[in-house]
Amino acid sequence: EAQVTQNPRYLITVTGKKLTVTCSQNMNHEYMSWYRQDPGLGLRQIYYSMNVEATDKGDVPEGYKVSRKEKRNFPLILESPSPNQTSLYFCASSSYGAENTEAFFGQGTRLTVV
Amino acid sequence: DAKTTQPPSMDCAEGRAANLPCNHSTISGNEYVYWYRQIHSQGPQYIIHGLKNNETNEMASLIITEDRKSSTLILPHATLRDTAVYYCIVRVMNQGGKLIFGQGTELSVKP
Repeated sequence: EAQVTQNPRYLITVTGKKLTVTCSQNMNHEYMSWYRQDPGLGLRQIYYSMNVEATDKGDVPEGYKVSRKEKRNFPLILESPSPNQTSLYFCASSSYGAENTEAFFGQGTRLTVV
Repeated sequence: DAKTTQPPSMDCAEGRAANLPCNHSTISGNEYVYWYRQIHSQGPQYIIHGLKNNETNEMASLIITEDRKSSTLILPHATLRDTAVYYCIVRVMNQGGKLIFGQGTELSVKP
């Protein structure tokens, strides 16, 4: 079954404690992205990757890092989380020629930073 | 980036067609219109997309006006399970095919 898998689904952490949210896709997609969803602001792109070792900033990259060492994985790293990063996070993937292909989303990770 | 405008909420009777409008007057000629829906806080689910022509699949139909400044998503026979937030999205060519989400329309299908 084609899917994007995120872990963990829920996470509560304290300010400043480094964390990683994993994302894995089984469709051999080139493009992967991270979005965050906040009330009243909708979904906004954090980072994206167009292939292995090719990552770039989206619209709200501050406070986040990513890596793309393998095609299937695209982890989101928060080096020093702060309360304003409390949000619902989604990973998405799509194939080359992304503008005309379906993007698949993960189930979401609800992060709370206290 | 092109923006979309949708009504914040709509109601529809079960079994009837749900017609969800969207304005995207600043869309560029090579940008696609996508529709996704989100049930509670689950991951957005793809419904349909198009560039110029009308499209139909097993879930819905997409009608795009000739000037491409607006579109309508049609769910032909809405069920209670179609209750969700529906997003009309312009997909840009750059940034890995970034999806620009608006606020969406909260569709309530009532018995």
